[in-house]
Amino acid sequence: KQEVTQIPAALSVPEGENLVLNCSFTDSAIYNLQWFRQDPGKGLTSLLLIQSSQREQTSGRLNASLDKSSGRSTLYIAASQPGDSATYLCAADTGANSKLTFGKGITLSVRP
Amino acid sequence: DGGITQSPKYLFRKEGQNVTLSCEQNLNHDAMYWYRQDPGQGLRLIYYSQIVNDFQKGDIAEGYSVSREKKESFPLTVTSAQKNPTAFYLCASSTTARGGYTFGSGTRLTVV
Repeated sequence: KQEVTQIPAALSVPEGENLVLNCSFTDSAIYNLQWFRQDPGKGLTSLLLIQSSQREQTSGRLNASLDKSSGRSTLYIAASQPGDSATYLCAADTGANSKLTFGKGITLSVRP
Repeated sequence: DGGITQSPKYLFRKEGQNVTLSCEQNLNHDAMYWYRQDPGQGLRLIYYSQIVNDFQKGDIAEGYSVSREKKESFPLTVTSAQKNPTAFYLCASSTTARGGYTFGSGTRLTVV
């Protein structure tokens, strides 16, 4: 059974810092891995989707990498801003029926 | 613009009452999903459907029911058998080609 872990559960950084959010998964036979952002009381917004054949994806200040052999994905946020404060979740698509397994998320706070 | 619409945004349920949460998508996605989110527990899958008139139980289906009569719609009923229904409910959809999930904005259900 796939398990997805995100550590630490919370992170606080000063504005302008480059930061890396980690995601690990136990079953390397994934089809894709997706990163989401969730603001308090809101739904999930998709940030980046990395297919199993890809090593990374980029969107603006965000870069996500995928290393299936080591069971790890990272989300890199460049030049962080207070508006980046949110919870970031990763999810792995494993096995049949396209069901996602989610990590519990990392709550990021960017201090002005 | 294409997306997923969940309604209502807030819902209050009395003891012993059934309530239905609406989820509609205009993305032409085949698959639809219902998740429950509780603080500290991450997202848990309730039900999913990959095709009209067919659906499967997820990890926590007890006390819930769904229908999929139209491709665009996947309503969730929280029955009186669900003993702890207070939570944030999220609906999502995806293509069966594993192109990633799109989420709605959620419904917060509270028992009064």
